[in-house]
Amino acid sequence: AQKITQTQPGMFVQEKEAVTLDCTYDTSDQSYGLFWYKQPSSGEMIFLIYQGSYDEQNATEGRYSLNFQKARKSANLVISASQLGDSAMYFCAMREGQMDQAGTALIFGKGTTLSVSS
Amino acid sequence: DAGVIQSPRHEVTEMGQEVTLRCKPISGHDYLFWYRQTMMRGLELLIYFNNNVPIDDSGMPEDRFSAKMPNASFSTLKIQPSEPRDSAVYFCASSPGGFTEAFFGQGTRLTVV
Repeated sequence: AQKITQTQPGMFVQEKEAVTLDCTYDTSDQSYGLFWYKQPSSGEMIFLIYQGSYDEQNATEGRYSLNFQKARKSANLVISASQLGDSAMYFCAMREGQMDQAGTALIFGKGTTLSVSS
Repeated sequence: DAGVIQSPRHEVTEMGQEVTLRCKPISGHDYLFWYRQTMMRGLELLIYFNNNVPIDDSGMPEDRFSAKMPNASFSTLKIQPSEPRDSAVYFCASSPGGFTEAFFGQGTRLTVV
């Protein structure tokens, strides 16, 4: 079974609009971390935002925010005021495990391609 | 720090040849990950190390693939013999412990002809 599911292969948005990229995850651990990465056409992987499973507040980083709904096991990325430079592939990822144990790997979803038009 | 450094950036090789990809993680990071990215399969975890010890290699596709981490500052991923279906971008990433983000190298684009 997939640990991370991103159901939107592609999303299209106009400049200055907000967009939500969906991510659901599957874990039986109580402690875990959720991450979003951006991969532009140049290929590098850029870390955007992190949400811990015990964090009560939704994470925010500039125009990025994470809509964390623990009961639903969803961690959607919200990009406000989209810009042309936001066009890229976006990956949701998770690390499971207890803080005092040897950690686990970062497992990625299949990604969502975001296209921003003017 | 210069970040995670991978070499080579591009590799073109003939089927049957041995290929070695190299990675220098960020100093002080306890974890090192090798990923493979293709259009069909996305970003797959191949293997990861903690303090130079391989923790999970269940993602290594077959015996043709092997990975080593002889010290904290160097890791290799070897494919022997290489096949056209191994063509992909291979990423190395490193991270501190806990629920921290992983920092990625620029990747190695491997083409096997």
